[in-house]
This record gives sequence, structure tokens and C-alpha cells, in this order.
Amino acid sequence: SQKIEQNSEALNIQEGKTATLTCNYTNYSPAYLQWYRQDPGRGPVFLLLIRENEKEKRKERLKVTFDTTLKQSLFHITASQPADSATYLCALVTRAGNNRKLIWGLGTSLGVNP
Amino acid sequence: NAGVTQTPKFQVLKTGQSMTLQCAQDMNHNSMYWYRQDPGMGLRLIYYSASEGTTDKGEVPNGYNVSRLNKREFSLRLESAAPSQTSVYFCASIMDRGNDGYTFGSGTRLTVV
Repeated sequence: SQKIEQNSEALNIQEGKTATLTCNYTNYSPAYLQWYRQDPGRGPVFLLLIRENEKEKRKERLKVTFDTTLKQSLFHITASQPADSATYLCALVTRAGNNRKLIWGLGTSLGVNP
Repeated sequence: NAGVTQTPKFQVLKTGQSMTLQCAQDMNHNSMYWYRQDPGMGLRLIYYSASEGTTDKGEVPNGYNVSRLNKREFSLRLESAAPSQTSVYFCASIMDRGNDGYTFGSGTRLTVV
């Protein structure tokens, strides 16, 4: 079956460390992948987009990698801060001709302790 | 710069009642979407509108209808609410799926009793 998986267990790290979140997918031909942040009671906020032919994308303290052989994307937050505590969602856009689909992961909760 | 505005933020309905969730965006985006988010289920697409004048079903359209009133506004209607429609509803919009991410509203928390 087709699915996209993120760590279901919450990740708790110490302030200043690097947080690494994973997004794995099976049986999809990806066009690109997006990462979002969601705070409690709020809508998701777009962070980064990485295309299938890109290995890495950076934005300030954020870095995303995309390995289509491993069928995996990694999302890194360097020098983490308590304000980075949130749920992070990945979303995969698949190649299907003109009818591309957007498949959402369930998200990973990140807690950054001061 | 408001982005995507949803109303209302909270609503309690009795089974069988109807209501319309409103969504408006001020970013001149072409495409608009309605999602529901439930614990353990993630975001599921209800309906979408790729451009003004068009609407299409998503993954879970049963029990819902939509109207793309103009380029800015996309409403979601529940004709006869059921407890299974208790959820958080998000409206989203995007200009170009290949280059942008979706902009989401702050959500409507709906409870059907």
C-alpha cells in the first residue's frame, strides 16, 4: 500500500542541539516534498520545499535532505530553541500526470527543553 | 496582510443542522482547498478548487458541498451535520504547487452533538 510515515513518538531534545526528523514514503513517485510546522490550535505553516532532483535545501537554521533511493527526507533544525517546539508535518506531492496528489504525514511532535 | 481567513473559529451544531464555513484569501491565489484534521488521521482533503469556477472532490467529500464564489472566497457547507463530522477544518490556498507551499487558515473547530 502507499503511505508516508513520520516518527510517531515525540522527540525531546536539549536547547542548542540539532533536531532531526524523518519522513519515509513507499510506492510513490515523488515530484517534490514539503515540510510544515503546526502549533496547537493553529493551521500548518509552510517551511521548505525540496524537489526530487535536489539533494539538500537550507533556510536559516533549517535543512532538508531528500533521498529518492532511500525514499526518505530528513528535516534538521540546528541550534534548536524552545520556540521550535511544535509538530512538524511532511507532505509529498506525487507524480501522476496532470493529476498530482498531495499526501500528508501525521507529523512528529518536537519538544526543545531549555 | 491577512493571508487566509476562516470563520467561525468555533461552532457547536446539533445533529441534522446545517452550516457554512467561510474562507477568504487575499493573496490572489488560484487554488483553494478544504481539509479536515482528526487525531491519528492527519489532514484529509475534502474538496478543492484549482481555479475560479471549478471544484473537485477530494478524499472525503461525502456530506459536504463547496462553492468557489470568486477568486478570493471558497465556502464549505454541511447540509445535515453528523457526529462523524466533528473535526477541525482548515482552508488553504496556493499560487503555484511546484514552487510554493500552501497557506493555511487558523481553522474552525466544529463539534456535532
